[in-house]
Amino acid sequence: DAGVTQSPTHLIKTRGQHVTLRCSPISGHKSVSWYQQVLGQGPQFIFQYYEKEERGRGNFPDRFSARQFPNYSSELNVNALLLGDSALYLCASDTGVNTEAFFGQGTRLTVV
Amino acid sequence: DQQVKQNSPSLSVQEGRISILNCDYTNSMFDYFLWYKKYPAEGPTFLISISSIKDKNEDGRFTVFLNKSAKHLSLHIVPSQPGDSAVYFCAAGGSQGNLIFGKGTKLSVKP
Repeated sequence: DAGVTQSPTHLIKTRGQHVTLRCSPISGHKSVSWYQQVLGQGPQFIFQYYEKEERGRGNFPDRFSARQFPNYSSELNVNALLLGDSALYLCASDTGVNTEAFFGQGTRLTVV
Repeated sequence: DQQVKQNSPSLSVQEGRISILNCDYTNSMFDYFLWYKKYPAEGPTFLISISSIKDKNEDGRFTVFLNKSAKHLSLHIVPSQPGDSAVYFCAAGGSQGNLIFGKGTKLSVKP
């Protein structure tokens, strides 16, 4: 069984550009969450989607947006990239009912 | 303001001995807690969880203890193995269905 898959694994962008990160959840999981992890910190919650509806949003600027598709895959979009957006972006999926979340390997974004 | 705190950035343990990783939280509304292990260049891997209605959960070498009155939980690994060397994150279930993570503790298990 495939776990949570994220693409791309690495990418480099220039300040001011836009980026789209993609995530496919574990089969049967209807909830997808996005987290940002910077060096020396734990993952910080960005968004959660359940059944294609936004269920929660963390303390991130409006430059960050996301959506979930009918097949439960998800995209995270970041506009007007800043140097401080450089981080590991993690996607997690779960069944949506207070259970453990399973993480993908992450996308390492570097903004130069 | 951190709601989940792991006050020890690192811990070194001899192989075969017990590793104890600690975590404190401030929000009494959290209703479940989890531990994740993370290797470099990989996403966090789920280890074990505990509901707030329990005080102990065990899975093989891993046991999590919850002390609600002290708002404290701990992860015990016994016996510790060199392959356990990784960063361990404590997380709590938030009101939005999200997880709130501590900063992590780097465990080194020496042969």
